Amino acid sequence: SQTIHQWPATLVQPVGSPLSLECTVEGTSNPNLYWYRQAAGRGLQLLFYSVGIGQISSEVPQNLSASRPQDRQFILSSKKLLLSDSGFYLCAWSHRGGAGQPQHFGDGTRLSIL
Amino acid sequence: DQQVKQNSPSLSVQEGRISILNCDYTNSMFDYFLWYKKYPAEGPTFLISISSIKDKNEDGRFTVFLNKSAKHLSLHIVPSQPGDSAVYFCAASPMDSNYQLIWGAGTKLIIKP
Repeated sequence: SQTIHQWPATLVQPVGSPLSLECTVEGTSNPNLYWYRQAAGRGLQLLFYSVGIGQISSEVPQNLSASRPQDRQFILSSKKLLLSDSGFYLCAWSHRGGAGQPQHFGDGTRLSIL
Repeated sequence: DQQVKQNSPSLSVQEGRISILNCDYTNSMFDYFLWYKKYPAEGPTFLISISSIKDKNEDGRFTVFLNKSAKHLSLHIVPSQPGDSAVYFCAASPMDSNYQLIWGAGTKLIIKP
């Protein structure tokens, strides 16, 4: 069966510091990968998605970036965090191809910027 | 411009009764609709989906109904159990995308003992 691991679970960072959140998927190959952010009381906002190694599409302009160095690894980064980057970050994967493929989520990272 | 709306931020239901969660959409170009359940400090978990060519899909205690003319879907949970207390998200898959989901803001369901 497929599993998705996301870490760390919580992170407190000062403004201006760098960020690296990592996500790995096991039990499947060539997945689509996603990074979302959820603000309090709101739905999920898609930040980045990837359909293959090195292929990253950005949905929302911001000071975050994503990379996919390996097929089942997805990394969310920032060189300098802003206060507005605080939130709950979720990684997800789905099978490729075909409409309506459900996305499967990790347990998220609660990021607090001080 | 919210394409997927969950107008009830919260819903309280007695244990054993039916829970009905609602979702409205404004774009007719969705081909699948999905429901997710989310506990605090966890990622959403996929529950059930429905194709736009169907009007009902059932999986155990969960049934999703789709009314295309009203652009409305609902999730029925029968009977409601304490473990169903969570936030429920409705999401829609656009026809011209095989990766994108458009999400509602969620409804918090509280099951009272």
